[in-house]
Amino acid sequence: GENVEQHPSTLSVQEGDSAVIKCTYSDSASNYFPWYKQELGKRPQLIIDIRSNVGEKKDQRIAVTLNKTAKHFSLHITETQPEDSAVYFCAASESTGGGNKLTFGTGTQLKVEL
Amino acid sequence: GAVVSQHPSWVICKSGTSVKIECRSLDFQATTMFWYRQFPKQSLMLMATSNEGSKATYEQGVEKDKFLINHASLTLSTLTVTSAHPEDSSFYICSARSLQGLKGQYFGPGTRLTVT
Repeated sequence: GENVEQHPSTLSVQEGDSAVIKCTYSDSASNYFPWYKQELGKRPQLIIDIRSNVGEKKDQRIAVTLNKTAKHFSLHITETQPEDSAVYFCAASESTGGGNKLTFGTGTQLKVEL
Repeated sequence: GAVVSQHPSWVICKSGTSVKIECRSLDFQATTMFWYRQFPKQSLMLMATSNEGSKATYEQGVEKDKFLINHASLTLSTLTVTSAHPEDSSFYICSARSLQGLKGQYFGPGTRLTVT
């Protein structure tokens, strides 16, 4: 089955700096890679996703890059703000629609300090 | 659109009792729902995949007789934790996949279960 590794487990940045979270996956059949943000005690919320036919996707301050050959993908947050503080999870799925089961990474606790 | 609700949001029960958690898709039909379990400061672990009208598919290591899943309609799936023990205390989250072409999975708000 799929195995997703995520690094770092914790990340502390100063407000305004950039944050990068990296994930690797094992199953070459995976072709959908969403990123979720989860605040304490709340549901995961999809913040951005990328499909295997795309190498990079950007949405305002958030971008995701995918390297299918190396089986890794990364989340980039620029101009970080205190409200970006949360746990971020990467995931992988065999369905480009995301409708198949997701395998999650172990999570990154991001703390944006003033 | 694409709202998923869970009920209850939190529950405390005694060891040996059973607890039912409901997951509903409020504004779309869900052919497939997923049940996850999350321990404090850990990732989401998929427990089972629930398909409307058929038996659930359980992940390796998840006891199907302990975690009963029923997906009776396109908008409702239930998870029943039977003979609960303190180690079953966790955050249970469901997600739903849309039938109408909305992409991705939509998560419920989660249910905090505490077994005393």
